[in-house]
Amino acid sequence: AQKVTQAQTEISVVEKEDVTLDCVYETRDTTYYLFWYKQPPSGELVFLIRRNSFDEQNEISGRYSWNFQKSTSSFNFTITASQVVDSAVYFCALIEGGSEKLVFGKGTKLTVNP
Amino acid sequence: EAGVVQSPRYKIIEKKQPVAFWCNPISGHNTLYWYRQNLGQGPELLIRYENEEAVDDSQLPKDRFSAERLKGVDSTLKIQPAELGDSAVYLCAILDRVSEKLFFGSGTQLSVL
Repeated sequence: AQKVTQAQTEISVVEKEDVTLDCVYETRDTTYYLFWYKQPPSGELVFLIRRNSFDEQNEISGRYSWNFQKSTSSFNFTITASQVVDSAVYFCALIEGGSEKLVFGKGTKLTVNP
Repeated sequence: EAGVVQSPRYKIIEKKQPVAFWCNPISGHNTLYWYRQNLGQGPELLIRYENEEAVDDSQLPKDRFSAERLKGVDSTLKIQPAELGDSAVYLCAILDRVSEKLFFGSGTQLSVL
């Protein structure tokens, strides 16, 4: 069965610092999809990125970047020059190819202090 | 992007009372999910629908929880009777097969006293 581990429960940084959120996954499938979601204090889950298992190219979107490494089963998320508005809980999630069941990690609470 | 509207936003009930949650996604999405998110945890799947059919309800506590999705669009999730441990946020999501992304509603925060 698939599993997602986010070892960092809480991270606190000062504004403008870079921060990396770790995600390690387990799956027996060769086809799978990885996601990151942001959950601000208002509660809604905001989609950030989807990556399929055949695409190991790293992605950058503004201050956000993602490092996908199949060799270590990791899909880490880095925020560059963090801002107070980045404060939220961030979830990594996985869908196995034939499943369509999205399994979440327990989340990392990021607090960016001014 | 797909829109998913959930109601009510908040619900406070006493234990042993029944409660219902509604999910109104925009039409055209066959796959619908109900997730439960306990405080400080990630969301956990309760049930997944393909059109009107529940294709994965293995984690739904069937002694007190029930769900339906009439006409393959709107869905309801019911708890009867509610227990203290049911306090959580209940999230509805749909799968957009074009983008292959799950889009979530804002959730219903349930407090059982």
